[in-house]
Amino acid sequence: EAGVAQSPRYKIIEKRQSVAFWCNPISGHATLYWYQQILGQGPKLLIQFQNNGVVDDSQLPKDRFSAERLKGVDSTLKIQPAKLEDSAVYLCASSPNGQGVLFQGNTIYFGEGSWLTVV
Amino acid sequence: AQKVTQAQTEISVVEKEDVTLDCVYETRDTTYYLFWYKQPPSGELVFLIRRNSFDEQNEISGRYSWNFQKSTSSFNFTITASQVVDSAVYFCALSERTAGNKLTFGGGTRVLVKP
Repeated sequence: EAGVAQSPRYKIIEKRQSVAFWCNPISGHATLYWYQQILGQGPKLLIQFQNNGVVDDSQLPKDRFSAERLKGVDSTLKIQPAKLEDSAVYLCASSPNGQGVLFQGNTIYFGEGSWLTVV
Repeated sequence: AQKVTQAQTEISVVEKEDVTLDCVYETRDTTYYLFWYKQPPSGELVFLIRRNSFDEQNEISGRYSWNFQKSTSSFNFTITASQVVDSAVYFCALSERTAGNKLTFGGGTRVLVKP
């Protein structure tokens, strides 16, 4: 079974430029996540989708970050304009079941990440 | 307050030594799940184990073992007879029923196994 695919793997941009990251989750997974991991820290959730709807975007800096999941499969995360502090690894992840009455603590599977350096 | 605390930022051992990684969590939920992930230099987070709050049995998988103690809110991870390939950053994470199916991570512990 193919894992979570992300691209590009590495990106270097200047501050105030824009960048977009793409994610293709594991086939059939209803829930998709974007996490930000700053060097030396644990990942932090930016946004969670169930199918093509947003479940949680409370930690997403909406003045510069946006994300969409059209058709409930692939997702794109955009940063515009980028700041120096956005330098991080952006991890996409997916899990099999959506939100429901039954909380199952489903395992979340991660991609290799997109490494962003803002200079 | 930190929901997941990994007090050890870095541990260095010589190959074949055992190494224990501590994880302390905080939650008011009675239903929750705890996870451990391994992050090698390539960057991908590799799932190691998932444990629910109602199952306090310790678990062993090969050289890996986990000790879950609700009384102390701890979920510690031991690598027995460490190998160079175990060198990575290890993250403990919490998924709470009231927060939905999302993970809150600790700060990670970097393990360096020297030959």
